[in-house]
Amino acid sequence: VLLVESGGGLVQPGRSLRLSCAASGFFFDDFAIHWVRQAPGKGLEWVSGISGNSGNTGYADPVKGRFTISRDNAKNSLYLQMNSLRPEDTAFYYCAKTVHGYNFDAFHIWGQGTMVIVSS
Amino acid sequence: DIVMTQSPASLSVSPGGRATLSCRASQIISTNLAWYQQKPGQAPRLLIYGASTRASGIPARFSGSGSGTEFTLTISSLQSEDFAVYYCQQYNNWHTFGQGTKVEIK
Repeated sequence: VLLVESGGGLVQPGRSLRLSCAASGFFFDDFAIHWVRQAPGKGLEWVSGISGNSGNTGYADPVKGRFTISRDNAKNSLYLQMNSLRPEDTAFYYCAKTVHGYNFDAFHIWGQGTMVIVSS
Repeated sequence: DIVMTQSPASLSVSPGGRATLSCRASQIISTNLAWYQQKPGQAPRLLIYGASTRASGIPARFSGSGSGTEFTLTISSLQSEDFAVYYCQQYNNWHTFGQGTKVEIK
């Protein structure tokens, strides 16, 4: 079971970035997947989650209206479209697979993370 | 929103000693509570879910208890590899993490 994030980088405030998470080793369609971020030297912050069939999505208040989570089950991939980026969005972004597949579930498998730096 | 408060912020324990970490939820979350361990430069690792169920491969020295709003992670007989930051997480209403407890070598 493996999750691999990509798409991070340096971006100016107000610009956009799209993160990807490639999954393998499990039946992707059956599992809700989430994004969690961690600013340098800080704690974990849940960002967004999506159910296996994309029917249920959720967002943390700081990103609501700016970030959009989506998935392509045919490609075993999860995405996070981040618009109107702010310096406070600077963080490592992890994707995480749930234990049993539900959105309201613990996170069993984590990727290695991708760094997003928002700075002019 | 549910706020998760962990205590203490840091804890110094001797190798072989016992560590007791606390986590309090601002609302009742039943047993929808997980604990994670994170070491520098690594992704978090799931230890406990359902407040008391050990994840696969987690040693028996890690145990979780509690329900409602008060939860505890106990690490008995601390090993060198257990010195890390520990986070609790509620998943009763989407997700919230506590601020973390750093377990240091005494």
